[in-house]
Amino acid sequence: GAVVSQHPSRVICKSGTSVKIECRSLDFQATTMFWYRQFPKQSLMLMATSNEGSKATYEQGVEKDKFLINHASLTLSTLTVTSAHPEDSSFYICSARLTSGGAGDEQYFGPGTRLTVT
Amino acid sequence: QKEVEQDPGPLSVPEGAIVSLNCTYSNSAFQYFMWYRQYSRKGPELLMYTYSSGNKEDGRFTAQVDKSSKYISLFIRDSQPSDSATYLCAMSVAAGNKLTFGGGTRVLVKP
Repeated sequence: GAVVSQHPSRVICKSGTSVKIECRSLDFQATTMFWYRQFPKQSLMLMATSNEGSKATYEQGVEKDKFLINHASLTLSTLTVTSAHPEDSSFYICSARLTSGGAGDEQYFGPGTRLTVT
Repeated sequence: QKEVEQDPGPLSVPEGAIVSLNCTYSNSAFQYFMWYRQYSRKGPELLMYTYSSGNKEDGRFTAQVDKSSKYISLFIRDSQPSDSATYLCAMSVAAGNKLTFGGGTRVLVKP
């Protein structure tokens, strides 16, 4: 259980275009999902917290108009990189919060999406 | 200074040895502590999840939390080449809150 998928796994796009990345919780409902980006040999940096049915909360320094997040259902959140530029090339990873009801809530991660902007 | 510090490694051990990993942190409000394993170009996989201080064991993995010292550890017994990966510690202030990650330690288990 607690499987999170992402689509696509890899995407190459031209500068100035927009790219949408999907994050799905396959076997549980997630009221909260998180979006991270990771540069080579670096740790994960939280971009935004996505709550189902409400606006996402962005971390300081993340442009909300550039990284559009939509959490339309309890199993799907999408990240759209608008007007992508080469500096947006990165590994984007989502996680979904599983409410266990026990000691706390656990986050399960998707396999990541590698975005390359040419 | 980063909120969570983790030695980047690489940590190289022979197969069968115990792998010892640790993180230190500065925010005393952290209550939930996690260890993730990440293979190259893959998403992190949750290994251990602990609340407050104490020990937790799961198979070959043991997690320890010492809140008084702001120090957490992960031990991997009988290490295997398949354990070669980057190990990330993460922590949060409250259940389900955003995670703060360490930089990750790269581990190499040599056959």
